[in-house]
Amino acid sequence: GAVVSQHPSRVICKSGTSVKIECRSLDFQATTMFWYRQFPKQSLMLMATSNEGSKATYEQGVEKDKFLINHASLTLSTLTVTSAHPEDSSFYICSAREVRGKWYGYTFGSGTRLTVV
Amino acid sequence: SQQGEEDPQALSIQEGENATMNCSYKTSINNLQWYRQNSGRGLVHLILIRSNEREKHSGRLRVTLDTSKKSSSLLITASRAADTASYFCATDRRDDKIIFGKGTRLHILP
Repeated sequence: GAVVSQHPSRVICKSGTSVKIECRSLDFQATTMFWYRQFPKQSLMLMATSNEGSKATYEQGVEKDKFLINHASLTLSTLTVTSAHPEDSSFYICSAREVRGKWYGYTFGSGTRLTVV
Repeated sequence: SQQGEEDPQALSIQEGENATMNCSYKTSINNLQWYRQNSGRGLVHLILIRSNEREKHSGRLRVTLDTSKKSSSLLITASRAADTASYFCATDRRDDKIIFGKGTRLHILP
């Protein structure tokens, strides 16, 4: 089945630094990828929709200058948390949309736990 | 709010009992999916039900969908300790976004 690899699975960084999270579709091309954020004991909140070759679409309240999304190829989207602060500590999960003719499906990465100290 | 609602928010039952979780949503959908998430881990896809389906089974799982009420339910029969997790419904909306409900934390008591 379709596999999405998300890396790193865990990262600890200092306040003020930037962190890049990668989301790769391993055996399919994903024209659309989604980035979610999850705080402890809460649900997944959609942050942005990443489209290959174009600018990401951000959900209301998500700072696009803080959460930079790049989808430069059909198999890779990256989320960069810039100038990270402790309140950015969270679980980030990506999802990739695979389209085959009229069929489509979504596959989720295993998530990245970001801790900002 | 971009999220649907799920109830209950938390559920504790004895092992062997059935667990029922409900989900309501707001917009028209293509399909609805249920996921499980163990604490601090990624998502596990459980089952997908399309908007033109009313009920679907997979092993000990039974999902219903009522598009007129914009609601779905997940039933886990003969619960096991390993079923302890958070369960989320996710709607695949017409705008191609997957939006998650708030989730139900299920705890199976030995």
